[in-house]
Amino acid sequence: AQSVTQLGSHVSVSEGALVLLRCNYSSSVPPYLFWYVQYPNQGLQLLLKYTTGATLVKGINGFEAEFKKSETSFHLTKPSAHMSDAAEYFCAVTGYYGNNRLAFGKGNQVVVIP
Amino acid sequence: GAGVSQSPSNKVTEKGKDVELRCDPISGHTALYWYRQSLGQGLEFLIYFQGNSAPDKSGLPSDRFSAERTGGSVSTLTIQRTQQEDSAVYLCASSLSVRETQYFGPGTRLLVL
Repeated sequence: AQSVTQLGSHVSVSEGALVLLRCNYSSSVPPYLFWYVQYPNQGLQLLLKYTTGATLVKGINGFEAEFKKSETSFHLTKPSAHMSDAAEYFCAVTGYYGNNRLAFGKGNQVVVIP
Repeated sequence: GAGVSQSPSNKVTEKGKDVELRCDPISGHTALYWYRQSLGQGLEFLIYFQGNSAPDKSGLPSDRFSAERTGGSVSTLTIQRTQQEDSAVYLCASSLSVRETQYFGPGTRLLVL
């Protein structure tokens, strides 16, 4: 079984400052890890994903995440926040085996302060 | 190309009524998932279809919930005798195959009065 922990439901960041969203996972099999973003009244949009290979993954809109197996983490970062980054962010995990159902964290609501 | 579409976008119903939610996956995608997003429970897996295989129904919360996928394409999620706790956003996702990226639709927002 897989699970994800995201701490801090609401995250405030100043425009131009570093965005850091933490994600820790639990998985009994090699994990596939994802970050999705959700804008108000919209579905989930994939930001980036890790399956195998390079542990530093770059995604859309300047976001990146690093898979650290020893820390069971997949934290999301962006060097400089933009007003358009205000949204809810979900970390998700699935296993290499099985039906690929996603287990989601509780999400981080990001507020960007001008 | 066209993404995953869902209808209706919003649905208001009375407690005890049945509702049907529709999902049109991306053409050619063999895997289809339903998730539910609610304030109390976050995002939860409901059911999974892959090709002609038997669906994985392990996430359905009660026997009032059922889903089918016709012709390996369109899927319908049915909730019978709706309860207020069924109020949530129901999201559909599809992927090319079982270990490919899941693409989500905009969701159906269900409100049970």
